[in-house]
Amino acid sequence: KNQVEQSPQSLIILEGKNCTLQCNYTVSPFSNLRWYKQDTGRGPVSLTIMTFSENTKSNGRYTATLDADTKQSSLHITASQLSDSASYICVVIYTNAGKSTFGDGTTLTVKP
Amino acid sequence: NAGVTQTPKFRVLKTGQSMTLLCAQDMNHEYMYWYRQDPGMGLRLIHYSVGEGTTAKGEVPDGYNVSRLKKQNFLLGLESAAPSQTSVYFCASSYHREAGANVLTFGAGSRLTVL
Repeated sequence: KNQVEQSPQSLIILEGKNCTLQCNYTVSPFSNLRWYKQDTGRGPVSLTIMTFSENTKSNGRYTATLDADTKQSSLHITASQLSDSASYICVVIYTNAGKSTFGDGTTLTVKP
Repeated sequence: NAGVTQTPKFRVLKTGQSMTLLCAQDMNHEYMYWYRQDPGMGLRLIHYSVGEGTTAKGEVPDGYNVSRLKKQNFLLGLESAAPSQTSVYFCASSYHREAGANVLTFGAGSRLTVL
């Protein structure tokens, strides 16, 4: 069964600190991997998209990495801000049909 | 731009009642999707549509029906609501299937409670 597992389930950090969220997947064949940010009460919003050949992709203070050999991805947030408090969802797209599997998400809380 | 708009935002139903969730997008997207999001679980695809007049089953289609009579609208129906259908429902749309650089644009969600 295609699975996407994220860790940790939740994380609390102080404003200004860095953090890294993990995503492990067993999805095959792999097409691309996305990280979404979901604010409370809102729909998910795309942060990054990485294909099989890409190792890293940045979007401002967000940097995603991908190791297709070990099937692992991480999302690194630099100099966190209160507005980074949200759920971060890893999504793996597989096959050319564009089928996707969503992770359960990591809930990040940034405290002042 | 409104993007993807879902109505209603909240609804409480009794078991056995029926209702319809409406999704409207103003981006001229071909593909539209309905997901449900439950605590501790990732979003799961209920049904999707690859164009006006077409629908297809997703991962968890049982108990739901959909229609795409107009390109901009995608309706999700519950004919006989059950407590297991208590969830937050998200509609999304995209130009093409979610491959390559194509991304989903999500609505704000509709919270449904079935008593």
